[in-house]
Amino acid sequence: DAMVIQNPRYQVTQFGKPVTLSCSQTLNHNVMYWYQQKSSQAPKLLFHYYDKDFNNEADTPDNFQSRRPNTSFCFLDIRSPGLGDAAMYLCATSVSHRDTQYFGPGTRLTVL
Amino acid sequence: GESVGLHLPTLSVQEGDNSIINCAYSNSASDYFIWYKQESGKGPQFIIDIRSNMDKRQGQRVTVLLNKTVKHLSLQIAATQPGDSAVYFCAETLGGSQGNLIFGKGTKLSVKP
Repeated sequence: DAMVIQNPRYQVTQFGKPVTLSCSQTLNHNVMYWYQQKSSQAPKLLFHYYDKDFNNEADTPDNFQSRRPNTSFCFLDIRSPGLGDAAMYLCATSVSHRDTQYFGPGTRLTVL
Repeated sequence: GESVGLHLPTLSVQEGDNSIINCAYSNSASDYFIWYKQESGKGPQFIIDIRSNMDKRQGQRVTVLLNKTVKHLSLQIAATQPGDSAVYFCAETLGGSQGNLIFGKGTKLSVKP
């Protein structure tokens, strides 16, 4: 019954070592989002794909990249993680921008 | 605007009481609103939504009220249970082709047995 799946649930990486987080969906939604959430804060949108169209938020660091090879999968690449990038990373999907976003369980990233 | 801050407002209620969580939204042009529940270590879970052409919507044990005049949204939980303990976020969207969600600060609900 899982609809938005994120792997792994916990990821540990070293300072500066590239890391990729994965999201997949069984909902066939057009839009996929990546959010960063730090402790006691609201999720912060990094970027999203509407189909194959990539939309980056203005304040998302260049260190964060994304790929969407097909409808079902979307990846978050952090090229050189810093200590400040330790956070929960949430993937969400929606039919369109005007519809409800459904979130995955998140991946908690630790940077050593 | 985007939520910032390190300390979440907290609401503490007794099991069985009703809870009311409030949210002030930022943009009078927002036309779609969602309440999410987020338990510790999990992703936000959709609870209920409302569009701007309505002022009230009811779900199972939950009611959302929208007051567009003062840009205020509330979530009412009836007969609050320990399983309702979580952080609750309101979110608004402007709709349109780039209507991304804008999250409120979040309120931590603590239910005492």
